[in-house]
Amino acid sequence: EPEVTQTPSHQVTQMGQEVILRCVPISNHLYFYWYRQILGQKVEFLVSFYNNEISEKSEIFDDQFSVERPDGSNFTLKIRSTKLEDSAMYFCASSENGLSGNTIYFGEGSWLTVV
Amino acid sequence: DAKTTQPPSMDCAEGRAANLPCNHSTISGNEYVYWYRQIHSQGPQYIIHGLKNNETNEMASLIITEDRKSSTLILPHATLRDTAVYYCIVRVATGGGADGLTFGKGTHLIIQP
Repeated sequence: EPEVTQTPSHQVTQMGQEVILRCVPISNHLYFYWYRQILGQKVEFLVSFYNNEISEKSEIFDDQFSVERPDGSNFTLKIRSTKLEDSAMYFCASSENGLSGNTIYFGEGSWLTVV
Repeated sequence: DAKTTQPPSMDCAEGRAANLPCNHSTISGNEYVYWYRQIHSQGPQYIIHGLKNNETNEMASLIITEDRKSSTLILPHATLRDTAVYYCIVRVATGGGADGLTFGKGTHLIIQP
């Protein structure tokens, strides 16, 4: 069964450093998403991406965050200058299209620890 | 987004059917009901979704009331591996936009041996 894959599974970084989290969405999917989950809290939507553009973003997705599809397979989340409060599990997801009846599939996550 | 209400936790004996309720009284006619689960800190796993009719797949059954104001996820023969947080989500239709999913706190289902 096709799946969303994410790397790295765990990254530790110093405060102020840049971090890039990588994702390979399911191959025929056109919509891509990033979510995050701070330990013990809810899964929160960050951003959705379609046709090389951001479609929607939440209030969390401020100027320190950016997303990119650098080639035909990868989808990345960059955090420019990490803060302690960025420590969280980051989930990538994808769907075939953006319609309400189309399922969004999640990866296993990248655990980011900022020290 | 249409809001959902779920009990914070439930217990179920192994081998029995687990019935997880969800209220979504403000759901609109073109909004789907989705169920996901999250085992420990793994990625949310899709279970099932439906619009009006009851649905069944290899994992579970989804029963939606006729007025669509509530639904029940049924795991027919629960195993210890079904212990997880289960999320009932109403997905907003934005007419072709990349609407995401809004997760609540879900129901922590604990399967007892």
